Amino acid sequence: EIVMTQSPATLSVSPGERATLSCRASQSVGSNLAWYQQKPGQAPRLLIYGASTRATGVPARFSGSGSGTEFTLTISSLQSEDFAVYYCQQYNNWPPLTFGGGTKVEIK
Amino acid sequence: EVQLLESGGDLVQPGGSLRLSCVASGFTFSSYVLNWVRQAPGMGLEWVSIISGNGDTTYYADSVKGRFTISRDNSKNTLYLQMNSLRADDTAVYYCATKRVGTNPFDYWGQGTLVTVSS
Repeated sequence: EIVMTQSPATLSVSPGERATLSCRASQSVGSNLAWYQQKPGQAPRLLIYGASTRATGVPARFSGSGSGTEFTLTISSLQSEDFAVYYCQQYNNWPPLTFGGGTKVEIK
Repeated sequence: EVQLLESGGDLVQPGGSLRLSCVASGFTFSSYVLNWVRQAPGMGLEWVSIISGNGDTTYYADSVKGRFTISRDNSKNTLYLQMNSLRADDTAVYYCATKRVGTNPFDYWGQGTLVTVSS
């Protein structure tokens, strides 16, 4: 099983600032890495797939990078609607399909 | 517009059974792989099970193997999860999620249905 580890668990950021979230895989997943956003009481929403491709309708301030075992989600200028929990997921080697533990982006 | 609507969540006693449903619309149902993903209260996401487009291939997380059964009825655009021998640690919101065939992420998610296992 591929273990996904996200850091930090919580990130406190002021609106307008940049946020950088990390995700590490226990073994290489190539570029088969997705990021999801989840707001309270809502279902997760696909943001990034293929490590760096934005899903339909996702603003350009969201960007993903990395390959192999190290990945980053960057939000260039945080808007109020971006405060949420973000999960990474590998879909390269399954079953099982595995998620990271999440990073909560909160208002500083 | 893709829509996924889960139902069937309830309060059930430990050892009990429950069947969840997920009705889909807005896409060619039989062309998509479907998943169940759960989220315990205040916790992260846990993949539960996956089923191929024609229903012939299924996989399960170790935590539910032998207790849960995933199935689908393509004539009704409906995904199911039969849950038996339920335990307290099965308490969660259960989401259905679509996945295109091949090496692809989960495109669309339903809003979830809450399963509570408690005496």
